[in-house]
Amino acid sequence: DGGITQSPKYLFRKEGQNVTLSCEQNLNHDAMYWYRQDPGQGLRLIYYSQIVNDFQKGDIAEGYSVSREKKESFPLTVTSAQKNPTAFYLCASSIVSGSGEQFFGPGTRLTVL
Amino acid sequence: GQNIDQPTEMTATEGAIVQINCTYQTSGFNGLFWYQQHAGEAPTFLSYNVLDGLEEKGRFSSFLSRSKGYSYLLLKELQMKDSASYLCAVRDKTSYDKVIFGPGTSLSVIP
Repeated sequence: DGGITQSPKYLFRKEGQNVTLSCEQNLNHDAMYWYRQDPGQGLRLIYYSQIVNDFQKGDIAEGYSVSREKKESFPLTVTSAQKNPTAFYLCASSIVSGSGEQFFGPGTRLTVL
Repeated sequence: GQNIDQPTEMTATEGAIVQINCTYQTSGFNGLFWYQQHAGEAPTFLSYNVLDGLEEKGRFSSFLSRSKGYSYLLLKELQMKDSASYLCAVRDKTSYDKVIFGPGTSLSVIP
């Protein structure tokens, strides 16, 4: 089955620790995205990538880092510099052009204690 | 930059029709999407508009006016399971085709 996976579904970390969220897709999509969603809010773009070995900052990139070494994978690291990391993190992928809607993973709910 | 606006909350009756509006400002418009998101779940794709006019897909229709920076999602024959958040998103071709979401509209369908 083709799809996009994120792991883990729930993640707990202590304040001051870096944590890496996994995102993998087997849809052969070139574009991948990371969004953050806070309760009752819309999705805010953290980072996105249109091609391997290249990525761009979104609107709220501070305190986050990404890599895109493989087409299938786009891991997100939440660093200790992120002041308020507790949130629901969603990864998505799409074809690059035209009506390429985004396919979303199930999300990771990160809680920093 | 980009700016997308939607009403925060709406309530409608089962069996009725509801229209959810979205206004946007972007320098490089390259398509508008509507997604549905149930609480605690990932968004799922509903519709895509890039040209002016109405796109119909079953009980859901989406309209776009590029000159007015305006779109709406029309839901007919509302069902209880339509209670969800509805997200408007815009693709911006001046920024590597990034996709930016609006704040979402929380729709409650009541009996």
